[in-house]
Amino acid sequence: GESVGLHLPTLSVQEGDNSIINCAYSNSASDYFIWYKQESGKGPQFIIDIRSNMDKRQGQRVTVLLNKTVKHLSLQIAATQPGDSAVYFCAEKEGTALIFGKGTTLSVSS
Amino acid sequence: NAGVTQTPKFRILKIGQSMTLQCAQDMNHNYMYWYRQDPGMGLKLIYYSVGAGITDKGEVPNGYNVSRSTTEDFPLRLELAAPSQTSVYFCASSSPGNTIYFGEGSWLTVV
Repeated sequence: GESVGLHLPTLSVQEGDNSIINCAYSNSASDYFIWYKQESGKGPQFIIDIRSNMDKRQGQRVTVLLNKTVKHLSLQIAATQPGDSAVYFCAEKEGTALIFGKGTTLSVSS
Repeated sequence: NAGVTQTPKFRILKIGQSMTLQCAQDMNHNYMYWYRQDPGMGLKLIYYSVGAGITDKGEVPNGYNVSRSTTEDFPLRLELAAPSQTSVYFCASSSPGNTIYFGEGSWLTVV
C-alpha cells in the first residue's frame, strides 16, 4: 500500500479564502516531505518542503505544517487565487526517491 | 536553463512494439528518476539512478529498462509494449538530499 495519502480527493474554495490541504503519512522514520502542485498537462512543480526537525515552514502565500506525533502534514494557501487551481500532492522521501500520495484537486471559483 | 527535458511529448504504440523515452537534465544532478502516473493517481517510481553506471528498481519496474551512461541522460525503454503501460511518464532529477525537479511528461498510449 501507499505510505503517503491525502485526506480529501477534492477541495473547492472561493477566491480569497484560505485553503488547507491535508496529508497523512505512515513511515515515522521519514525525515523530508515535499508539496507539489500539478496543473493539467504538466509535470509536478515544487511548492515547499520541510524536514522532520521543523514543525512549520513558510513560503510566499504557502505554509507547511508538520505534526510528527500524529504523522500529519498540511499545506496552507493564503488568499487562494484561481491560478492555484491544480492537483496537490504531498511526497515523502524514502531513501533516494519520493513516494507520492494520490493528490487533492483544488478548485478555486471567482 | 532548460532543467529536465523529455522527448517525445506524445506517442502511440501498438502492442508488442518497443520504444525509448528520452530524458536529459542540464543541472549536473547525480540522481535521476522515472515515474509513471495513471489517471487520477499519484506518481509511481519505475527506476532511479544515483549516478552514471548505477540504476535501481523502484515500485513498478516490470516491463521497463533503463541505462545511465552519462550524468545528463537517463533513457527509459519499453521492450514489449502492453496496454497496461498506457500512462504519463515523468522524468526527474535532483542533487543528493535536495528537491526533486520534474520534466513536463511524456504521454504514451498503447493500442
